[in-house]
Amino acid sequence: DAKTTQPPSMDCAEGRAANLPCNHSTISGNEYVYWYRQIHSQGPQYIIHGLKNNETNEMASLIITEDRKSSTLILPHATLRDTAVYYCIASNSGGSNYKLTFGKGTLLTVNP
Amino acid sequence: NAGVTQTPKFRVLKTGQSMTLLCAQDMNHEYMYWYRQDPGMGLRLIHYSVGEGTTAKGEVPDGYNVSRLKKQNFLLGLESAAPSQTSVYFCASSSPYRQGNTEAFFGQGTRLTVV
Repeated sequence: DAKTTQPPSMDCAEGRAANLPCNHSTISGNEYVYWYRQIHSQGPQYIIHGLKNNETNEMASLIITEDRKSSTLILPHATLRDTAVYYCIASNSGGSNYKLTFGKGTLLTVNP
Repeated sequence: NAGVTQTPKFRVLKTGQSMTLLCAQDMNHEYMYWYRQDPGMGLRLIHYSVGEGTTAKGEVPDGYNVSRLKKQNFLLGLESAAPSQTSVYFCASSSPYRQGNTEAFFGQGTRLTVV
């Protein structure tokens, strides 16, 4: 799995967009970018993933640069419940060595 | 639909004791994983399995053994517990890649303290 780099912490005002960056400069062609989050003491929760194109679902949007060396997770209207550690993971698409490798992530604090 | 269920949720062991953590999933997933998370740290992969009867080592496998005798269950064993194994253990499962759908589902964790 390619190594990912994220800022250790970020703050965001409630109701504003939260933009969480991730660098994955060594990502290979068959590796997807996954985002998970972990709310205090709970198991991680899947948010979104993508390969080349930008993706959007009911939780967030994922913007991947054209060279695929970095990406940004966007929470369009952050709420207090979005306070969590957000993990960016680059991993291949499957097969016998498929696994998710978590780093330390970004602690996003949403302030009232 | 229970998803991923871990048993037990809490446990205190004495050094040298053994125990087995059970992970059960009802989503017919092929892949299952065991992670540990220490305070202030991210999740570290202990062992994983890509199918019934198969297991593989992750990042921190020493001191742990696993078995996947049934597709829906993934067991994590500690043969001789050490204080360094005090941690929160998370189990997860996922399907093989099909058009990018490889979302992993996590259990709620087992908090293990070794004294």
